[in-house]
Amino acid sequence: QQKVQQSPESLSVPEGGMASLNCTSSDRNFQYFWWYRQHSGEGPKALMSIFSDGDKKEGRFTAHLNKASLHVSLHIRDSQPSDSALYFCAVSLSSNTNKVVFGTGTRLQVLP
Amino acid sequence: EAAVTQSPRNKVAVTGGKVTLSCNQTNNHNNMYWYRQDTGHGLRLIHYSYGAGSTEKGDIPDGYKASRPSQENFSLILELATPSQTSVYFCASGEGQNTLYFGEGSRLIVV
Repeated sequence: QQKVQQSPESLSVPEGGMASLNCTSSDRNFQYFWWYRQHSGEGPKALMSIFSDGDKKEGRFTAHLNKASLHVSLHIRDSQPSDSALYFCAVSLSSNTNKVVFGTGTRLQVLP
Repeated sequence: EAAVTQSPRNKVAVTGGKVTLSCNQTNNHNNMYWYRQDTGHGLRLIHYSYGAGSTEKGDIPDGYKASRPSQENFSLILELATPSQTSVYFCASGEGQNTLYFGEGSRLIVV
């Protein structure tokens, strides 16, 4: 069974600060890593995907992928209270299965 | 925006009873998924489907069945509900390696 491990379990940062979240896959047969965000009482919503080594930036969010170590990170600069949420890493596995496996999540709290 | 609708949103069931959770998507996506969310476990994949008539086992399929009678609809069936199946269930739809779109969740309590 594929596993997706996230760390830390929870994280608090001051408003305007940088939040860094980590994710590692146990399966090398991945196509994409995804980051999803879930606010309380809602379903998860996609933030961004990455499949190439290196950085991908979308606004205040930057994802970094290291394929050799199966590790992806998400960095949120200038964190806002509205960024407080549960963040999931997801791995989209080889293209012939369409299987998507999620991690255990990191709860981010941005303190005003 | 892509729309995924789940019903019921809240359900209380008795142990041993049958529960059906329904999901409808208007995105014309081929792939649909059922996950359950529990504190400390994140989102765990129960069943998924490539299209009408197909169902595939996910990582935790025991105690659950799935049905995909049409492109739009994907149901999760608990034939004999147990208290360990108390959880929040999410349905999602997607296409290929693209974004998954989630419903708002169905909260199930088995007493």
